[in-house]
Amino acid sequence: EIVLTQSPGILSLSPGERATLSCRASQTVSNNYLAWFQQRPGQAPRLLIYGASTRATGIPDRFSGSGSGTDFTLTISRLEPEDFAVYYCQQYGRAPDTFGPGTKVDIK
Amino acid sequence: EVQLVESGGGLVQPGGSLRLSCTASGFTLSSQWMSWVRQAPGKGLEWVANIDNDGSNKNYVDSVKGRFTISRDSAKNSLYLEMNNLRPEDTAVYYCAAEEGPWGQGTLVTVSS
Repeated sequence: EIVLTQSPGILSLSPGERATLSCRASQTVSNNYLAWFQQRPGQAPRLLIYGASTRATGIPDRFSGSGSGTDFTLTISRLEPEDFAVYYCQQYGRAPDTFGPGTKVDIK
Repeated sequence: EVQLVESGGGLVQPGGSLRLSCTASGFTLSSQWMSWVRQAPGKGLEWVANIDNDGSNKNYVDSVKGRFTISRDSAKNSLYLEMNNLRPEDTAVYYCAAEEGPWGQGTLVTVSS
């Protein structure tokens, strides 16, 4: 099973700042099948990025994904108030699919 | 509007069974691999099972193998999760999810005596 490690665990930033979230895999993620999700309190997860760098439908362009192999990054260029949430990465290139433990982005 | 709606959750005793359903509108389930993902109260996301476009390939997390069965019905544009021999640790919100697409809002399964 591929283990995903996310860092940092908590990221404290102010609105307007840039957020950089990391996801590291214990093995190469096949075909860069790596996705990022946002989850706000009390809500279902929302797909942001799939295939490491493709934005899902309706996702603002301040969200971008990059990386390949075992190291991936989600960048939020300028934090909006609604972006303070928990972010998960997921690999779906090799069964069993796995999720990282999440990074919480909170208001500084 | 694209929408996935789960149903079938509820309170069940340990050892009991439930069948979850996920019905899609504005989206063709057979266009993608589909998964069930769960989230225990206050915890992170855990992938449970997935199924390919035509239902011929299925995968499960080890903790549910032999107890849960994923299936799909293209004619009804629906996804299912048959859950047997339920345990308290199966208590979670269960989400229906497209591999590179929408998720449902979830259905709560509580396993308790």
